[in-house]
Amino acid sequence: QSVLTQAPSASGTPGQRVTMSCSGSSSNIGSNAVNWYHQVPGTAPKLLIYSNNQRPSGVPDRFSGSKSGTSASLAISGLQSEDEADYYCAAWDDSLSGPLFGGGTKLTVL
Amino acid sequence: QVQLQESGPGLVKPSETLSLTCTVSGGSITGYYWSWIRQPPGKGLEWIASIYYTGATTYNPSLKSRITILGDRSKNQFSLKLTSVTAADTALYYCARQGVTPPYVMDVWGQGITVTVS
Repeated sequence: QSVLTQAPSASGTPGQRVTMSCSGSSSNIGSNAVNWYHQVPGTAPKLLIYSNNQRPSGVPDRFSGSKSGTSASLAISGLQSEDEADYYCAAWDDSLSGPLFGGGTKLTVL
Repeated sequence: QVQLQESGPGLVKPSETLSLTCTVSGGSITGYYWSWIRQPPGKGLEWIASIYYTGATTYNPSLKSRITILGDRSKNQFSLKLTSVTAADTALYYCARQGVTPPYVMDVWGQGITVTVS
């Protein structure tokens, strides 16, 4: 099962800015929007960013997303301890005819 | 607000059929896709299947031969059946509401149900 490619881990100290990437192909990120979900261990995933760079109501503007070609990025500025979670990118895949998720990046706040 | 709740057995024997139900409360199933996603222990998320409120379905090709997703509008529920399970099907199973237009966001998730195949 192919997945979008994410680095398995990332880390930062409180107040720092961290970025995490998501790499795909022409059948997913290259032709469709990217959504980001975050998952605190033991809880369900929660929508964080949709349509590449849009924040749902209630998501702080510390979180931002971008997309270029077949890659996408999530940035978190002013890192806080409560940001420690797993972050998943997702995009519709035309070959799959369904959503394709990344393997997830585990963010540790040092 | 819409809430989702998964239900079903937490333990299934190898070669048997896994059956899960997702109950939608606080809103109608009309106008959305309703999806199943799973997460094996320590791993990432995998989309399993989706059903539109009209009954139209889409399946992950890697699982298509073993899965059936059904909807019951009268009960505001949708269900998943996965046949011939193996240890590889052990996972946390989530149901989620999915938008019908791009970017097809999954904006409401159930709490998840752990299913062990053993």
